[in-house]
Amino acid sequence: DIQMTQSPSSLSASVGDRVTITCRASQGITSSLNWYQQKPGKAPKLLIYAASSLQSGVPSRFSGSDSGTDFTLTISSLQPEDFATYYCQQSYSAPLTFGGGTKVEI
Amino acid sequence: EVQLVESGGGLVQPGGSLRLSCAASGFSFSSYWMHWVRQAPGKGLVWVSRINGDGSNTNYADSVKGRFTISRDNAKNTLHLQMNNLRAEDTAVYYCARGLRIGVSGTVDSWGQGTLVTVSS
Repeated sequence: DIQMTQSPSSLSASVGDRVTITCRASQGITSSLNWYQQKPGKAPKLLIYAASSLQSGVPSRFSGSDSGTDFTLTISSLQPEDFATYYCQQSYSAPLTFGGGTKVEI
Repeated sequence: EVQLVESGGGLVQPGGSLRLSCAASGFSFSSYWMHWVRQAPGKGLVWVSRINGDGSNTNYADSVKGRFTISRDNAKNTLHLQMNNLRAEDTAVYYCARGLRIGVSGTVDSWGQGTLVTVSS
C-alpha cells in the first residue's frame, strides 16, 4: 500500500500569512494527489485534484504543486474561513490512502 | 444539485453486523464511481471501499477486506455497505462520496453528511 506522510501535523498562523503543507508519497504516484479541507463536524471538501488543478468554486489563494513524490498545498494569504484541517490523498492506486492531516489553527 | 444521504448507522455489539445505505440524487448515479470513507472520533480520514458504475469492480482497504461488502442498486440510486464481524476499531462516522467525474475512480468531490457507527458492548 502507498503511505502518505503529511507535515506538519499542526501549525499556528495568522490571517494574511502564507501557509505551506507538504505530503510525501512512499512511492511514485505521478500527479495523482488530491487535497481536501475539513471543518469540525462537516464533511471534507475537495480543494485541489491531480496535484495542481483547482476544484470549481475554490478560491485562487489555494494552489498545489508537485516534485517527484513530494506534494505541496499553499494558501497564499490565509483567511479566517481557512482555519481547518487539511488532508492529502493519493488516487493512484487502491487502496486509496490519506495523509494524517494538518490542523491549521490561529 | 448533488445530494448524498447516508442512513443505517447506530450502536452494534462487537461481532455484529450493520448495513449502511446512501441515497443519491441530482446526478446520473449509475455513471459514477462511489466510495465509502470513514473517520473515527477525533481522528483522520480513512478510505474504506469503492465501486464502479455497474458494480462489476470493487476495492477495499486491507482493514475491512473480507468483512465489508460494497454494493449498489442503480435502479434505486442507492449505495450500500454491508459490515460484518464488526470490531471496536470500526467505530467511526461513515461518509459516502461520489467520484469527481464520470470514469474518475480515485478522486471524490461530493460527500454525504455521514452516519455514525458505534461498536461497543
